[in-house]
Amino acid sequence: AQSVSQHNHHVILSEAASLELGCNYSYGGTVNLFWYVQYPGQHLQLLLKYFSGDPLVKGIKGFEAEFIKSKFSFNLRKPSVQWSDTAEYFCAVNRHSSASKIIFGSGTRLSIRP
Amino acid sequence: SAVISQKPSRDICQRGTSLTIQCQVDSQVTMMFWYRQQPGQSLTLIATANQGSEATYESGFVIDKFPISRPNLTFSTLTVSNMSPEDSSIYLCSVEEPTTRAPPGELFFGEGSRLTVL
Repeated sequence: AQSVSQHNHHVILSEAASLELGCNYSYGGTVNLFWYVQYPGQHLQLLLKYFSGDPLVKGIKGFEAEFIKSKFSFNLRKPSVQWSDTAEYFCAVNRHSSASKIIFGSGTRLSIRP
Repeated sequence: SAVISQKPSRDICQRGTSLTIQCQVDSQVTMMFWYRQQPGQSLTLIATANQGSEATYESGFVIDKFPISRPNLTFSTLTVSNMSPEDSSIYLCSVEEPTTRAPPGELFFGEGSRLTVL
C-alpha cells in the first residue's frame, strides 16, 4: 500500500541537541514533499516544502530537510533545538498524478527539555 | 495566506445524533478538503469539495455518513451523521493557497473541530 512512514513516534531531546526526524514514502514517480508542524493549541502550518531543484530545502525557524530520491526519504533536521520547538511534526507527500490529494505520515511528537 | 475558521471548535454529542461543522475561508478557493485526525493517529482525507459539484470521497468514507455541502467559493460544511464513539476525532478543514500558483499539496488548515461522542 502507498504510505508515508514516520518511524519516530515520540522524540525527547534537551535544548541545543541536534534533531533528525525520519520520513519515508512508498510512491514511485514525481512527488511533492512537505513537513507540517502543529504547536500545542495551534493549527497545522507548513514548515518547509520540496517541489524540485536543490534537494536540500530550508524552512522556517532553522529547520531543513533533505530529499534523497534513491532512499524515498525526506528527513527533517535542525542543528540545535529550542524549547519552543516542542510540537507535533507531520511529513506529507503529494503525487503529481493525484491532483491535490496529500497523504500524511503518522506524526512525530517532539518534546524539548529546557 | 488563507485564514480558515471552523465552528464549532469542540462539541460533545450523544450517540445516534448528527453534527454539522462549518468552514469559512477569508478568500475564494477552488478546492476545500476535509480531514479527520483520530486520537494518536495521523490526518486522513475524508473528501474533497469543489464548488458546484458533488464532493469526492476517499476510500472508506461515504456520502451518507459524511455529507458535504459547498455552496460557494468561501464556505463548506461537513456533517457527521448517526454518530458513534468511533467518530470521536478532530475534523479539519483545509484549502490550498488561493493566491499563488503553488503546486498542489501546499495546504492551509483551520484549527479543527474536536468532536467527542458519548
